[in-house]
Amino acid sequence: SQELEQSPQSLIVQEGKNLTINCTSSKTLYGLYWYKQKYGEGLIFLMMLQKGGEEKSHEKITAKLDEKKQQSSLHITASQPSHAGIYLCGASGSSNTGKLIFGQGTTLQVKP
Amino acid sequence: EPEVTQTPSHQVTQMGQEVILRCVPISNHLYFYWYRQILGQKVEFLVSFYNNEISEKSEIFDDQFSVERPDGSNFTLKIRSTKLEDSAMYFCAGSGVRTGELFFGEGSRLTVL
Repeated sequence: SQELEQSPQSLIVQEGKNLTINCTSSKTLYGLYWYKQKYGEGLIFLMMLQKGGEEKSHEKITAKLDEKKQQSSLHITASQPSHAGIYLCGASGSSNTGKLIFGQGTTLQVKP
Repeated sequence: EPEVTQTPSHQVTQMGQEVILRCVPISNHLYFYWYRQILGQKVEFLVSFYNNEISEKSEIFDDQFSVERPDGSNFTLKIRSTKLEDSAMYFCAGSGVRTGELFFGEGSRLTVL
């Protein structure tokens, strides 16, 4: 079965600094999804990547899927306290449904 | 902005009791899901529901679990006889399309004593 490994597990950065979170899959990714979760709350969809080499940006967050479709990264530029939370990557199977396997999450703290 | 609503936000129950968790999805969504997250562990898929029937379910979703959408609005997860290991945050999610772009509720925390 497919497994997703995220790194780092946790991250503390100073406000204004850039950071990157990685997500590595044990199998080829057909659909890779990034979500953000605030502690004790629901998940909020950020971005979806499907094609090898694909890159998407929204405000100061950029997500990429590598050419081999086994690794994705999430990059935050000029971090702000509002970026704090838990970032999760999720993978769908070849049928690309809403049945997702999630990584363990990366906890981000941004110090003002 | 439309949102997914879950009730209760927190339920404490005794082992062996039946529990029903309720969700009101966004009105034009067609695909519905339940996920759970045991404290400190990954978010896990339980079941997906489309066109009034289960489309996929995980190994976790055994005979003790059931889902239904009886009135076309509420989407419920029932656990027939709760076990200690059912303690978790349960998330309802929905989507208008058949992808992993899901709208999640805030979750229902279930504590089984």
